[in-house]
Amino acid sequence: NAGVMQNPRHLVRRRGQEARLRCSPMKGHSHVYWYRQLPEEGLKFMVYLQKENIIDESGMPKERFSAEFPKEGPSILRIQQVVRGDSAAYFCASSLMNTDTQYFGPGTRLTVL
Amino acid sequence: EDQVTQSPEALRLQEGESSSLNCSYTVSGLRGLFWYRQDPGKGPEFLFTLYSAGEEKEKERLKATLTKKESFLHITAPKPEDSATYLCAVQGGGADGLTFGKGTHLIIQP
Repeated sequence: NAGVMQNPRHLVRRRGQEARLRCSPMKGHSHVYWYRQLPEEGLKFMVYLQKENIIDESGMPKERFSAEFPKEGPSILRIQQVVRGDSAAYFCASSLMNTDTQYFGPGTRLTVL
Repeated sequence: EDQVTQSPEALRLQEGESSSLNCSYTVSGLRGLFWYRQDPGKGPEFLFTLYSAGEEKEKERLKATLTKKESFLHITAPKPEDSATYLCAVQGGGADGLTFGKGTHLIIQP
């Protein structure tokens, strides 16, 4: 009964580098969501994906951020040319249906030097 | 725009001292209100989902209730292991993602 898995758990990047965060949803779940938690702030929705489709990216910054959920393999959140303000905890969640409870992974803590 | 406000921001209780956490919300067409628990360095852990006013759910020492404007998380005779940040979130009718409050940081002292 594996839950939502995320890797890496901790990621350190220098300004200008790329960060790739991976998320494997719970078994049987085909809906994936990404959230960002900045220090002293609440969790903020970024993007919602189903297999091979981005359904809602209303919370994604317009530049440098992208997400995908391929037919095979984990969902990927990609941040190009990272800046210090990207330092945060990034959480992935999955659900069975869009209207169902979202279950969260342990998060990836990104630090930009 | 959906909004969630949680109070208090922090709460310190003695072991066995019951209390309630508040979650006030404004949402366009509530699809669900969710309570999560988050321990330091970990992801949110699901506790409850409430769908309509008047609904109540219980799990061990926790009980969640819902009205049209707010939800309460009641904690009865808490233990030190109940110490955590408790998060409230809503999903509105037109939204895919959840809108979270900033949480209540609960400390239970032995």
